[in-house]
Amino acid sequence: AQTVTQSQPEMSVQEAETVTLSCTYDTSESDYYLFWYKQPPSRQMILVIRQEAYKQQNATENRFSVNFQKAAKSFSLKISDSQLGDAAMYFCAYRSDTGTASKLTFGTGTRLQVTL
Amino acid sequence: NAGVTQTPKFRILKIGQSMTLQCTQDMNHNYMYWYRQDPGMGLKLIYYSVGAGITDKGEVPNGYNVSRSTTEDFPLRLELAAPSQTSVYFCASSRGLRAEAFFGQGTRLTVV
Repeated sequence: AQTVTQSQPEMSVQEAETVTLSCTYDTSESDYYLFWYKQPPSRQMILVIRQEAYKQQNATENRFSVNFQKAAKSFSLKISDSQLGDAAMYFCAYRSDTGTASKLTFGTGTRLQVTL
Repeated sequence: NAGVTQTPKFRILKIGQSMTLQCTQDMNHNYMYWYRQDPGMGLKLIYYSVGAGITDKGEVPNGYNVSRSTTEDFPLRLELAAPSQTSVYFCASSRGLRAEAFFGQGTRLTVV
Protein backbone atom coordinates (compact mmCIF):
# COMPACT_ATOMS: atom_id res chain seq x y z
CA ALA A 1 0.00 0.00 0.00
CA GLN A 2 1.13 3.50 -0.71
CA THR A 3 1.94 5.85 2.13
CA VAL A 4 2.44 9.60 2.15
CA THR A 5 4.48 11.32 4.85
CA GLN A 6 4.53 14.99 5.70
CA SER A 7 7.09 15.47 8.45
CA GLN A 8 6.37 19.13 9.18
CA PRO A 9 3.17 19.53 11.23
CA GLU A 10 3.54 23.33 11.19
CA MET A 11 5.50 25.88 9.23
CA SER A 12 5.68 29.64 9.39
CA VAL A 13 6.73 32.15 6.74
CA GLN A 14 6.82 35.91 6.56
CA GLU A 15 4.76 37.66 3.96
CA ALA A 16 6.60 37.97 0.63
CA GLU A 17 9.11 35.29 1.61
CA THR A 18 9.49 31.77 0.23
CA VAL A 19 8.64 28.55 2.05
CA THR A 20 9.04 24.89 1.13
CA LEU A 21 6.76 22.15 2.42
CA SER A 22 8.10 18.60 2.38
CA CYS A 23 6.43 15.39 1.29
CA THR A 24 7.76 11.89 0.81
CA TYR A 25 5.89 8.85 -0.36
CA ASP A 26 6.37 5.13 -0.62
CA THR A 27 5.27 3.13 -3.64
CA SER A 28 6.38 0.28 -5.84
CA GLU A 29 4.56 1.67 -8.87
CA SER A 30 6.18 3.57 -11.70
CA ASP A 31 3.16 5.50 -12.95
CA TYR A 32 1.24 7.71 -10.57
CA TYR A 33 0.17 11.25 -9.83
CA LEU A 34 1.05 13.56 -6.99
CA PHE A 35 -0.97 16.50 -5.75
CA TRP A 36 -0.85 19.32 -3.28
CA TYR A 37 -4.20 20.39 -1.84
CA LYS A 38 -4.84 23.49 0.23
CA GLN A 39 -7.46 23.50 2.98
CA PRO A 40 -8.23 26.97 4.36
CA PRO A 41 -10.37 27.45 7.49
CA SER A 42 -13.46 27.20 5.27
CA ARG A 43 -12.62 23.45 5.02
CA GLN A 44 -12.80 23.51 1.23
CA MET A 45 -10.16 21.27 -0.37
CA ILE A 46 -8.55 23.19 -3.20
CA LEU A 47 -6.15 21.67 -5.69
CA VAL A 48 -2.93 23.69 -5.77
CA ILE A 49 -0.76 21.74 -8.16
CA ARG A 50 -0.36 18.29 -9.69
CA GLN A 51 2.56 16.31 -11.05
CA GLU A 52 2.53 13.29 -13.33
CA ALA A 53 5.28 10.85 -12.40
CA TYR A 54 6.24 10.24 -16.03
CA LYS A 55 7.05 13.93 -16.51
CA GLN A 56 10.56 14.96 -15.58
CA GLN A 57 9.75 18.65 -15.65
CA ASN A 58 8.59 20.06 -12.34
CA ALA A 59 5.08 21.50 -12.35
CA THR A 60 4.55 25.19 -11.71
CA GLU A 61 1.40 27.18 -11.11
CA ASN A 62 1.99 30.90 -10.67
CA ARG A 63 3.69 31.28 -7.24
CA PHE A 64 3.55 27.55 -6.56
CA SER A 65 6.10 25.06 -7.82
CA VAL A 66 7.20 21.58 -6.92
CA ASN A 67 10.51 19.79 -6.65
CA PHE A 68 9.76 16.25 -7.78
CA GLN A 69 12.53 13.76 -7.14
CA LYS A 70 11.22 10.42 -8.37
CA ALA A 71 14.17 8.30 -7.31
CA ALA A 72 14.08 9.77 -3.83
CA LYS A 73 10.25 9.62 -3.74
CA SER A 74 10.13 13.23 -2.70
CA PHE A 75 7.60 15.87 -3.72
CA SER A 76 8.06 19.25 -2.05
CA LEU A 77 5.96 22.36 -2.59
CA LYS A 78 7.56 25.78 -2.86
CA ILE A 79 5.46 28.86 -2.30
CA SER A 80 7.09 32.07 -3.48
CA ASP A 81 6.12 35.60 -2.47
CA SER A 82 3.91 34.24 0.30
CA GLN A 83 0.62 36.01 0.91
CA LEU A 84 -1.68 36.11 3.91
CA GLY A 85 -4.22 34.15 1.90
CA ASP A 86 -1.77 31.25 1.65
CA ALA A 87 -2.30 30.46 5.33
CA ALA A 88 -3.97 27.04 5.42
CA MET A 89 -3.43 23.33 5.88
CA TYR A 90 -1.57 21.79 2.97
CA PHE A 91 -1.97 18.14 2.11
CA CYS A 92 0.22 16.09 -0.14
CA ALA A 93 -1.61 13.28 -1.94
CA TYR A 94 -0.70 10.29 -4.08
CA ARG A 95 -2.84 8.68 -6.73
CA SER A 96 -2.08 5.43 -8.52
CA ASP A 97 -2.41 5.20 -12.29
CA THR A 98 -3.56 1.60 -12.13
CA GLY A 99 -6.60 -0.21 -10.85
CA THR A 100 -10.28 0.21 -11.48
CA ALA A 101 -10.66 3.28 -9.33
CA SER A 102 -7.47 4.73 -7.98
CA LYS A 103 -7.95 6.52 -4.71
CA LEU A 104 -6.11 9.49 -3.30
CA THR A 105 -3.85 8.70 -0.36
CA PHE A 106 -3.23 11.76 1.80
CA GLY A 107 -0.49 12.79 4.16
CA THR A 108 -1.33 14.19 7.58
CA GLY A 109 -0.91 17.77 6.47
CA THR A 110 1.25 20.81 7.22
CA ARG A 111 -0.29 23.90 8.77
CA LEU A 112 1.21 27.01 7.19
CA GLN A 113 1.14 30.31 9.04
CA VAL A 114 1.90 33.53 7.20
CA THR A 115 3.05 36.43 9.34
CA LEU A 116 3.41 40.12 8.59
CA ASN B 1 -20.89 26.33 -11.16
CA ALA B 2 -22.15 24.24 -8.23
CA GLY B 3 -19.54 21.47 -8.45
CA VAL B 4 -19.87 19.05 -5.53
CA THR B 5 -22.57 19.90 -3.00
CA GLN B 6 -22.82 18.30 0.42
CA THR B 7 -25.64 18.62 2.91
CA PRO B 8 -25.86 19.23 5.78
CA LYS B 9 -22.81 21.31 6.70
CA PHE B 10 -23.11 20.53 10.41
CA ARG B 11 -24.94 17.87 12.38
CA ILE B 12 -25.05 16.59 15.93
CA LEU B 13 -26.24 13.02 16.41
CA LYS B 14 -26.96 10.99 19.50
CA ILE B 15 -25.36 7.58 19.88
CA GLY B 16 -27.40 4.99 18.02
CA GLN B 17 -29.17 7.42 15.73
CA SER B 18 -29.03 7.13 11.96
CA MET B 19 -28.55 9.71 9.26
CA THR B 20 -27.68 10.15 5.62
CA LEU B 21 -25.09 12.59 4.35
CA GLN B 22 -26.08 13.81 0.93
CA CYS B 23 -23.67 14.43 -1.94
CA THR B 24 -24.49 15.54 -5.45
CA GLN B 25 -22.31 16.69 -8.33
CA ASP B 26 -23.30 18.40 -11.56
CA MET B 27 -20.14 17.72 -13.56
CA ASN B 28 -21.23 14.32 -14.93
CA HIS B 29 -18.28 12.64 -13.20
CA ASN B 30 -18.28 8.87 -13.07
CA TYR B 31 -16.01 8.58 -10.03
CA MET B 32 -17.23 9.62 -6.61
CA TYR B 33 -15.66 9.23 -3.18
CA TRP B 34 -16.41 9.64 0.50
CA TYR B 35 -13.59 10.58 2.86
CA ARG B 36 -13.42 11.31 6.55
CA GLN B 37 -10.97 13.67 8.16
CA ASP B 38 -10.19 13.25 11.84
CA PRO B 39 -8.53 16.09 13.77
CA GLY B 40 -4.87 16.53 12.81
CA MET B 41 -5.07 13.82 10.20
CA GLY B 42 -5.30 13.51 6.47
CA LEU B 43 -8.34 12.21 4.66
CA LYS B 44 -9.17 8.51 4.71
CA LEU B 45 -11.32 6.83 2.09
CA ILE B 46 -14.59 5.31 3.30
CA TYR B 47 -16.28 4.22 0.07
CA TYR B 48 -15.99 4.99 -3.61
CA SER B 49 -17.97 4.46 -6.80
CA VAL B 50 -16.87 4.19 -10.41
CA GLY B 51 -20.35 4.71 -11.81
CA ALA B 52 -24.05 4.32 -11.18
CA GLY B 53 -24.80 0.98 -9.56
CA ILE B 54 -21.17 0.26 -8.63
CA THR B 55 -19.68 0.89 -5.19
CA ASP B 56 -16.74 -0.49 -3.27
CA LYS B 57 -15.12 -0.22 0.15
CA GLY B 58 -12.21 2.03 0.93
CA GLU B 59 -9.89 1.98 3.95
CA VAL B 60 -12.43 2.61 6.72
CA PRO B 61 -15.89 1.35 5.62
CA ASN B 62 -17.13 -0.10 8.91
CA GLY B 63 -20.27 1.58 10.19
CA TYR B 64 -21.17 3.12 6.83
CA ASN B 65 -23.14 2.25 3.73
CA VAL B 66 -23.46 3.89 0.34
CA SER B 67 -25.56 3.66 -2.78
CA ARG B 68 -25.20 5.08 -6.27
CA SER B 69 -28.46 4.96 -8.15
CA THR B 70 -27.62 7.93 -10.39
CA THR B 71 -24.44 9.49 -11.74
CA GLU B 72 -25.11 12.68 -9.78
CA ASP B 73 -25.82 11.39 -6.28
CA PHE B 74 -23.72 9.42 -3.82
CA PRO B 75 -25.27 9.42 -0.32
CA LEU B 76 -23.45 8.07 2.74
CA ARG B 77 -25.52 6.33 5.39
CA LEU B 78 -24.63 5.96 9.08
CA GLU B 79 -26.89 3.34 10.62
CA LEU B 80 -25.95 3.33 14.31
CA ALA B 81 -23.92 6.41 15.10
CA ALA B 82 -20.97 5.97 17.45
CA PRO B 83 -18.63 8.58 19.00
CA SER B 84 -15.81 7.20 16.85
CA GLN B 85 -17.67 8.54 13.83
CA THR B 86 -17.25 12.12 14.98
CA SER B 87 -15.34 13.62 12.08
CA VAL B 88 -15.51 15.88 9.06
CA TYR B 89 -16.83 14.08 6.01
CA PHE B 90 -15.89 15.03 2.46
CA CYS B 91 -17.47 13.93 -0.76
CA ALA B 92 -15.42 14.20 -3.95
CA SER B 93 -15.77 13.41 -7.62
CA SER B 94 -13.50 13.09 -10.62
CA ARG B 95 -13.92 12.67 -14.33
CA GLY B 96 -11.54 9.75 -14.55
CA LEU B 97 -8.53 8.03 -13.08
CA ARG B 98 -6.09 10.69 -14.19
CA ALA B 99 -8.26 13.70 -13.47
CA GLU B 100 -8.18 15.85 -10.39
CA ALA B 101 -10.71 15.29 -7.65
CA PHE B 102 -13.17 18.05 -6.79
CA PHE B 103 -14.29 18.22 -3.19
CA GLY B 104 -17.43 19.37 -1.46
CA GLN B 105 -17.20 21.73 1.50
CA GLY B 106 -17.51 18.97 4.05
CA THR B 107 -19.95 17.96 6.76
CA ARG B 108 -18.89 18.31 10.39
CA LEU B 109 -20.55 15.48 12.31
CA THR B 110 -20.50 15.17 16.08
CA VAL B 111 -21.84 12.06 17.81
CA VAL B 112 -22.65 12.53 21.49
